[in-house]
This record gives sequence, structure tokens and C-alpha cells, in this order.
Amino acid sequence: DTGVSQDPRHKITKRGQNVTFRCDPISEHNRLYWYRQTLGQGPEFLTYFQNEAQLEKSRLLSDRFSAERPKGSFSTLEIQRTEQGDSAMYLCASSGGSSPLHFGNGTRLTVT
Amino acid sequence: TQLLEQSPQFLSIQEGENLTVYCNSSSVFSSLQWYRQEPGEGPVLLVTVVTGGEVKKLKRLTFQFGDARKDSSLHITAAQPGDTGLYLCAGMDSNYQLIWGAGTKLIIKP
Repeated sequence: DTGVSQDPRHKITKRGQNVTFRCDPISEHNRLYWYRQTLGQGPEFLTYFQNEAQLEKSRLLSDRFSAERPKGSFSTLEIQRTEQGDSAMYLCASSGGSSPLHFGNGTRLTVT
Repeated sequence: TQLLEQSPQFLSIQEGENLTVYCNSSSVFSSLQWYRQEPGEGPVLLVTVVTGGEVKKLKRLTFQFGDARKDSSLHITAAQPGDTGLYLCAGMDSNYQLIWGAGTKLIIKP
């Protein structure tokens, strides 16, 4: 078990471009979470999957954000028409049963 | 709305001193987790407390869950520079969602 992996680790993009991040959770975990974190703050919930079903999406999340988990394994998070305010660390976490969340090391997005 | 208030937000102390970080809420949680995060990395789980009044020790770190499962504390004895990091508490609600505190940035000076 290699833990939760995220790709890429860093992404620099120009405002207006689309970006996509990938998360591979721990294989036996059925729950997958996406969070956003800015410097010195706790993670901010974005969305949550149980298997392939997206069960919850933050009301703070604009329509430019979309996430998928088509086969209940890996997940992608896409941000369309990026804005400078989207610059943050995007964290993925997974859990299963009563286990706590295990986090990946995140994708740091910088929008110029 | 469930909120977790963490205090202090920032703490800078000398090596060898003791410290306590607090996590308080008006809501009851089924469990509460403490994480430590270093720059450029994801949060790493330190401990999960489940039972009201539970105390768990991890070397020099002592974690306590309040009797009513609404609050928690983290006490570090004889802090070392390696303890430097962002400490986050998070409470698990009935929908398997984590409610996060804003974190305590801890700096231990040698």
C-alpha cells in the first residue's frame, strides 16, 4: 500500500486555462474527499465520493469546478477558466469503514 | 453550522518548554482527530479519540477528548524543534464529514 497519491505535485497555469488533477486513493478505501487549503488555514471541504457516487459538494464550489470518480477508484478534479483566487493546495483524502482520513501530499496550483 | 475553534492560532516557544493546544466546539462529534502538517505536504494523522474523557499518549504528546465529546486538547511536553508544524484538529460528524479547525502554527526554537 503506497498511500494516497496525487498528480501533479505542482501546477502553474495562466488565468483562463483549464486544469485537471488526479488522485489515486488507498485501494480498499471506498470514500474519497477533495479539499482546498490556503496557507496557514485548515482544509476546506470541496466534494466527497462514496464509491463512484458524488454524495456531497460544497455550496462554496463554483460551477467551474467538477470532480469525477468514474469507476470508484481514482478521481479527477477539473477547474475550468482558472482565476487567481483558485491558487491553493488541493488535497485528496480517502477512508474506508471506520478508518480516519488518509491524505495525499496535494497538488499546489498557482494561477498567474 | 458546526464549527471547531482552535487556539492559539500561532505559538512560538523555546525548546524544552511545554505547551497545550485547544480545540473547542458546541457540537458533539463521533470522533476527533489530530493531524500535523508540514509545508508542502498533506496532513498526517497523529491520533483519533473516540470515547468521551479518553486520553491517548504518543511519546511526548498527550491528547484528551472532552467528556461531552465537544472539545479536545493536545499537550506537548519538552517541545523539540522537530515538533514544529501546523497542528489541525478535525471532528467527524454523522455523515463521515470532517469539520476542521483553522490550525495552530507551532514553532519550536532551538
